[in-house]
Amino acid sequence: AQSVTQLGSHVSVSEGALVLLRCNYSSSVPPYLFWYVQYPNQGLQLLLKYTSAATLVKGINGFEAEFKKSETSFHLTKPSAHMSDAAEYFCAVRLLTGGGNKLTFGTGTQLKVEL
Amino acid sequence: KAGVTQTPRYLIKTRGQQVTLSCSPISGHRSVSWYQQTPGQGLQFLFEYFSETQRNKGNFPGRFSGRQFSNSRSEMNVSTLELGDSALYLCASSNTGGFTEAFFGQGTRLTVV
Repeated sequence: AQSVTQLGSHVSVSEGALVLLRCNYSSSVPPYLFWYVQYPNQGLQLLLKYTSAATLVKGINGFEAEFKKSETSFHLTKPSAHMSDAAEYFCAVRLLTGGGNKLTFGTGTQLKVEL
Repeated sequence: KAGVTQTPRYLIKTRGQQVTLSCSPISGHRSVSWYQQTPGQGLQFLFEYFSETQRNKGNFPGRFSGRQFSNSRSEMNVSTLELGDSALYLCASSNTGGFTEAFFGQGTRLTVV
């Protein structure tokens, strides 16, 4: 069964600093991988997705993530944090076959951006 | 194109009651999945419906059930509500064929008192 581990339930950065949110997956074969963002009292918004087409994936709002099979990682980065990036971020995995559209989520990382 | 619509947005129910939540997927999407989000358990998969058939089911008691109609709209029902059922319930819709991504609704905040 696939699973996702997000290291760090809370991350705090200064505005303008690098954002790095960590995600490691466990799956017998490389799955589909996603990063979602959630603002308070809202649903989940897709930031980016890995579908094996390219290991470096660019998403919305300046975020990107790199798939590293050898490290089973899919860390999310943004070169310069903005106050509006403060939210909760979720890494998710989906099997390539056999799992339908079922997503397995990590426990989330709350990003705080300070002046 | 309209997004995923969930109704109602907020709901307060009493223990022992039952509740029905509704989800209208993006037009043309035939897959609807439901998730429960709580501070303690995080985001957990409830079930997925595709073309009116349950395709996947998570590890939840039988009190949680769902269905999908021919227009792809879906409902989930929770019977005999417990305090622990208080959560944000999220619906996601996906297209069909090959790789698809899930688009989420705003959720229904259920409070059981």
